[in-house]
Amino acid sequence: AIQLTQSPASLSASVGDRVSITCRASQAISSTFAWYQQKPGKAPKLLIYDVSSLEGGVPSRFSGSGSGTDFTLTISSLQPEDFATYYCQQSNSYPLTFGGGTRVEIK
Amino acid sequence: EVQLVESGGGLVQPGGSLRLSCAASGFTFSRSWMTWVRQAPGKGLEWVASIKEDGSEKYYVDSVKGRFTISRDNAKNSVYLQMNSLRAEDTAVYYCARQDHSSLDVWGKGTTVTVSP
Repeated sequence: AIQLTQSPASLSASVGDRVSITCRASQAISSTFAWYQQKPGKAPKLLIYDVSSLEGGVPSRFSGSGSGTDFTLTISSLQPEDFATYYCQQSNSYPLTFGGGTRVEIK
Repeated sequence: EVQLVESGGGLVQPGGSLRLSCAASGFTFSRSWMTWVRQAPGKGLEWVASIKEDGSEKYYVDSVKGRFTISRDNAKNSVYLQMNSLRAEDTAVYYCARQDHSSLDVWGKGTTVTVSP
C-alpha cells in the first residue's frame, strides 16, 4: 500500500498568513492526487484534484503542486473560514490511502 | 442538487452485523464508482471499500476483507455496505462518496456506527 506522510501534523497561523502543507508518498504516484478540507462534525470537502486542479467553488487562494512523491497544498492568505483539518489522498492504486491530516489552528 | 444520504448506522454488539445504505441523487449514479470511507472518533480518514459502476470490480481495505461487502443497485441509485463480525475498532462515522478517477468529489454527511457491548 502507498503510505502518505503529511507534515506538519498541526500548525498555528494568523489570518493573512501564507500556509503550506506537504504530503510525501512512499512511492512515486501519478497525477491521481487530491486534497480535502474537513471541519469538525462535517464531511470532508474536495479542494484540489489531479494534483493542482481547483474544484469548482473553491477559492483561488488554495493551490496544489508537486509530482512523483512530494506534493504541497498552499493557502496564499489564510482566512478565518480556513481553520480546519486538511488531508491528502492518492488514487494511484488500491488501497486508496489518506495522509494523517494537518490541523490548522488560529494563532 | 447532487446529494448522497447515508443511513443504517447504530449501536451493535461485537460480532454483530449492520447494513449501511447510501442513496444518491442529482447525478448519473450508474456511471459512477462509489466508495465508503470511515473516520474513527478523533482520528483521520480511512478508505474502506470501492465498487465499479456496474459492480464488476470491488476493492477493500485489508482490515475488513472477509467481513464487509460493498454492493450497489443502480435501479435504486443506491450503494450498500454489509458489515458482519463487527469489532470495537469498526466504530466510526461512515461516509459514502462518489469516486472520480482521482478524487472523491461528492460526500454524504455520514452515519455513525458504534460497536460496544
